[in-house]
Amino acid sequence: DTGVSQDPRHKITKRGQNVTFRCDPISEHNRLYWYRQTLGQGPEFLTYFQNEAQLEKSRLLSDRFSAERPKGSFSTLEIQRTEQGDSAMYLCASSLAAGLAGSTDTQYFGPGTRLTVL
Amino acid sequence: AQTVTQSQPEMSVQEAETVTLSCTYDTSESNYYLFWYKQPPSRQMILVIRQEAYKQQNATENRFSVNFQKAAKSFSLKISDSQLGDTAMYFCAFILNFGNEKLTFGTGTRLTIIP
Repeated sequence: DTGVSQDPRHKITKRGQNVTFRCDPISEHNRLYWYRQTLGQGPEFLTYFQNEAQLEKSRLLSDRFSAERPKGSFSTLEIQRTEQGDSAMYLCASSLAAGLAGSTDTQYFGPGTRLTVL
Repeated sequence: AQTVTQSQPEMSVQEAETVTLSCTYDTSESNYYLFWYKQPPSRQMILVIRQEAYKQQNATENRFSVNFQKAAKSFSLKISDSQLGDTAMYFCAFILNFGNEKLTFGTGTRLTIIP
């Protein structure tokens, strides 16, 4: 059973550029989450999907951020017009839930994408 | 809103000793889950242990056990017979059951096992 994978593992970009990250969840998992972790802090929730539906977005997710999960499999997180404050580790996690009102299951994390904005 | 507090930014312990990491949380809800995650240096976050709030029995996983005090909103992690591979950041996390599905994390405790 393969775990959650993320690509790329590291991304260095210049301020103002657009970047896109990809997350592949554990194959049978129907829920997918994005978190952001800055140095010395715990991860902060950004957004999550149940299958292809985006069910919640954090206020941390500004208009420059967009996430998609077409076909309910992999997900992409795009940041437009990057700023130095976007530098962080972006973590993806997945879980298996019985349904929209299903019981909470454990979230399993990927290795993250470390973004550095110069 | 839920909050999670880890008051020990760093801890160190000799190999083979026992160490306890503290975590407190604040919520007005009664149905939730608590987790401890481990994040080794430059490696991904992995689940250590999980506790359902409705269960009175404390969860255990091999050398890892928790002391869950629901009334006090406390959830500490005990690591017995500590090993060098236990060196990592440890995060306490909270999630509502049938809720908004987001994990709320504490700021973490950096644990170093000294050989």
